[in-house]
Amino acid sequence: DTEVTQTPKHLVMGMTNKKSLKCEQHMGHRAMYWYKQKAKKPPELMFVYSYEKLSINESVPSRFSPECPNSSLLNLHLHALQPEDSALYLCASSQEKLFFGSGTQLSVL
Amino acid sequence: GENVEQHPSTLSVQEGDSAVIKCTYSDSASNYFPWYKQELGKGPQLIIDIRSNVGEKKDQRIAVTLNKTAKHFSLHITETQPEDSAVYFCAASPYGGSQGNLIFGKGTKLSVKP
Repeated sequence: DTEVTQTPKHLVMGMTNKKSLKCEQHMGHRAMYWYKQKAKKPPELMFVYSYEKLSINESVPSRFSPECPNSSLLNLHLHALQPEDSALYLCASSQEKLFFGSGTQLSVL
Repeated sequence: GENVEQHPSTLSVQEGDSAVIKCTYSDSASNYFPWYKQELGKGPQLIIDIRSNVGEKKDQRIAVTLNKTAKHFSLHITETQPEDSAVYFCAASPYGGSQGNLIFGKGTKLSVKP
C-alpha cells in the first residue's frame, strides 16, 4: 500500500477564513511533506517533517502553519490567505521513495 | 544547487509509437532519479526510479536510462496507449528518495492520439 490520503479534495475560502488541510499515511514513513503546485508547474517544497519535527521550512509565509500531531498525520492550517495562494496543495511521505497524495485544490476568493 | 532541465515540454505521439523524454542535471552528487506521472486533477504518481549505481531499469512498457558521465537520464515508453496521456516530471536528488528534497524538471505533457 503506497497511499497518502488528503482531505478535502476541493476547498474554496475567503481571505478572512481559517481552514485546515489534512493528510494521513499508514506506510510507517517517518518523513512527511507539504508541496504547493501551480497550474502547469512542478511541485514546490514548502515544509518537511522528520520524526514529527519540522526540519525544513522553505521560507513559507506565516499564513501557512503546518502541524504534525503524530507520525501518521500532517495538517496545514490556513489563515488570511491571498488569491495568489490558490493552487494544488500536495502532501507526501517518504522512506526510500517519495509518494504523493491526490492533493487539495484550493481556491482563495 | 541542483538544476534539472527537461525536454520536450510537449510531445504528441500516435498510439502504439514510442515516446522518449530527456532530462539533464547539473549536480554530480545527485544519485537518485525518479519519474512521476501526473494526470489531470491528481497528484504525481511515482512510475519508475533509478539510482546512480544502475545504468538502466525497466518495468513492463517503461524504462529509464542513466548516463552519469553526461549527466542525463531518459524515460522511454513503448507501445503507447491513450491512458499514457499525462504530464511527466523527472527529478533528481543527492539524498536518495528519503528526504523528499527532489529537484523537479518543468514537465512534459504527453498526448497519445488513438
